[in-house]
Amino acid sequence: AQKITQTQPGMFVQEKEAVTLDCTYDTSDPSYGLFWYKQPSSGEMIFLIYQGSYDQQNATEGRYSLNFQKARKSANLVISASQLGDSAMYFCAMRELRDDKIIFGKGTRLHILP
Amino acid sequence: NAGVTQTPKFQVLKTGQSMTLQCAQDMNHEYMSWYRQDPGMGLRLIHYSVGAGITDQGEVPNGYNVSRSTTEDFPLRLLSAAPSQTSVYFCASKPARWADTQYFGPGTRLTVL
Repeated sequence: AQKITQTQPGMFVQEKEAVTLDCTYDTSDPSYGLFWYKQPSSGEMIFLIYQGSYDQQNATEGRYSLNFQKARKSANLVISASQLGDSAMYFCAMRELRDDKIIFGKGTRLHILP
Repeated sequence: NAGVTQTPKFQVLKTGQSMTLQCAQDMNHEYMSWYRQDPGMGLRLIHYSVGAGITDQGEVPNGYNVSRSTTEDFPLRLLSAAPSQTSVYFCASKPARWADTQYFGPGTRLTVL
């Protein structure tokens, strides 16, 4: 069974609009961490944001925030005021504390339109 | 401080050839890992290491070997390359097994004919 599911293969969003990229996860471990990475067309993987399962507040990093809904097992990435440079592939990932592996979803390709 | 480096950047192999993808980090990170990225599949974990002398399998380990004789280096060996191993390979590291942020290398694009 997939542990990380990203249901949106691709999205088109107008510049300056807010964007929500969906991510749901599956784990029975009460301790885990959730990550989002950005991969621009140049190919490098850029860490964006992290949320621990016991963190009380949603993580934020500049224009990025993680909408963490533990009961729904969702960890959506919200990008406020999108910019052309936000066009990229975005990956959600999870690490279970009982395991040393970090597992990635299949990604969502985001296109920001001028 | 170079971070995570990978060599080569590009490689073309013939079926059955062997080769080693190199990965090195200069941040004294204990944890290192290898992923492959295929279109529509995201990143899949091949092997990982939580410290020198310790390695373990990820999701897709078949056809690949690793070793970790030093903290700095984590080479990935393809013993007999197959077309199914055509992919982009990423090496990553983080300070320790429980650390949050993982740092990625620039990737190696491998084509097996």
